[in-house]
Amino acid sequence: DTEVTQTPKHLVMGMTNKKSLKCEQHMGHRAMYWYKQKAKKPPELMFVYSYEKLSINESVPSRFSPECPNSSLLNLHLHALQPEDSALYLCASSHLQGGIGNQPQHFGDGTRLSIL
Amino acid sequence: GQQVMQIPQYQHVQEGEDFTTYCNSSTTLSNIQWYKQRPGGHPVFLIQLVKSGEVKKQKRLTFQFGEAKKNSSLHITATQTTDVGTYFCYNNDMRFGAGTRLTVKP
Repeated sequence: DTEVTQTPKHLVMGMTNKKSLKCEQHMGHRAMYWYKQKAKKPPELMFVYSYEKLSINESVPSRFSPECPNSSLLNLHLHALQPEDSALYLCASSHLQGGIGNQPQHFGDGTRLSIL
Repeated sequence: GQQVMQIPQYQHVQEGEDFTTYCNSSTTLSNIQWYKQRPGGHPVFLIQLVKSGEVKKQKRLTFQFGEAKKNSSLHITATQTTDVGTYFCYNNDMRFGAGTRLTVKP
């Protein structure tokens, strides 16, 4: 069982749709991450929140809009996506001792996104 | 950011054989983490190495961090079919290595 819960598990959307991916953790982690993973590639960092504030944006296109409503929740709002955005979107969380990225990360199962 | 090269890209072994994957950085790392991702699954944290020359063991898995903190390795002794998956190193620059995909023939 994963301690980081992501919904939905699968999402198919058109290029004009607006949808949101959700992530939840109750481990008291104050860092939360979004990664994008294409098939047979490593996860690529998109965003990092620390203490509910956006700390890192890896030059992600504005059609991806993250939100951290509270310390347990992380959302990724999607709008006007392109077919090349089809991928597995992974959420992760960690403690913050030593700074962002310096503690083990717990990953959710991911949302498999397909853009038609 | 720091570039970490991971090799090999693929490794196919007979069950019972050993397996090793390597990560090499051109710059000194403050720490390195290792993750395993099963087919269709998500990355799962295995270990974090922080100290120069550190060696840690988890059953059949041995993790090493180089003296210069520029390279690391994961060695699996006597592989089993449950070891199948992709093994990634992860540096403190929040970048995963390319991964080594391990397949095990029973």
